[in-house]
Amino acid sequence: DTEVTQTPKHLVMGMTNKKSLKCEQHMGHRAMYWYKQKAKKPPELMFVYSYEKLSINESVPSRFSPECPNSSLLNLHLHALQPEDSALYLCASSQGTAYQETQYFGPGTRLLVL
Amino acid sequence: LAKTTQPISMDSYEGQEVNITCSHNNIATNDYITWYQQFPSQGPRFIIQGYKTKVTNEVASLFIPADRKSSTLSLPRVSLSDTAVYYCLVGPETGANNLFFGTGTRLTVIP
Repeated sequence: DTEVTQTPKHLVMGMTNKKSLKCEQHMGHRAMYWYKQKAKKPPELMFVYSYEKLSINESVPSRFSPECPNSSLLNLHLHALQPEDSALYLCASSQGTAYQETQYFGPGTRLLVL
Repeated sequence: LAKTTQPISMDSYEGQEVNITCSHNNIATNDYITWYQQFPSQGPRFIIQGYKTKVTNEVASLFIPADRKSSTLSLPRVSLSDTAVYYCLVGPETGANNLFFGTGTRLTVIP
């Protein structure tokens, strides 16, 4: 099984809402990632978890809060977002965090902030 | 981090071989070259990775000259389903924080 699943597929939220994105993998991977992708732009790395510990935070605003409850799950908690946060949010995983290791991406959650 | 330069877009007819070149003039000794493919509204998918010379797998070939300042992704006999954005990434063997997707090349396959 080389699948990374993400829920929900689509999400519409107001600027005062709190919502969460969920990502799951059962490949035994120890590194998991969150990316943000705006339309017609490349993915941008947000967070990296290695062995369930946050190892990279690419200066992401605090209204995005990642969580790794266990080695298979990765959440992204959203609170007080802005319309410019509307984007495709991608989750990925890899065996480890060495660069040459293949990252497996989920289909993404398309977020619209009103 | 080695910056990459790719053509913004390319068109090709079905059945032709497509070569997408990526320039990475300041590639470091330990850097690998990796290509990902992304279809609309999907996450990127790993295609191929190499360090030097030539690498081939079931979907593509990667040609890397001796100076490693560029690389070419070769897709044999493309079909309509190969229409996608192709990203070239260059980075070190350690350090996930250096995962940088450049602008990518939007390939359109024409019937």
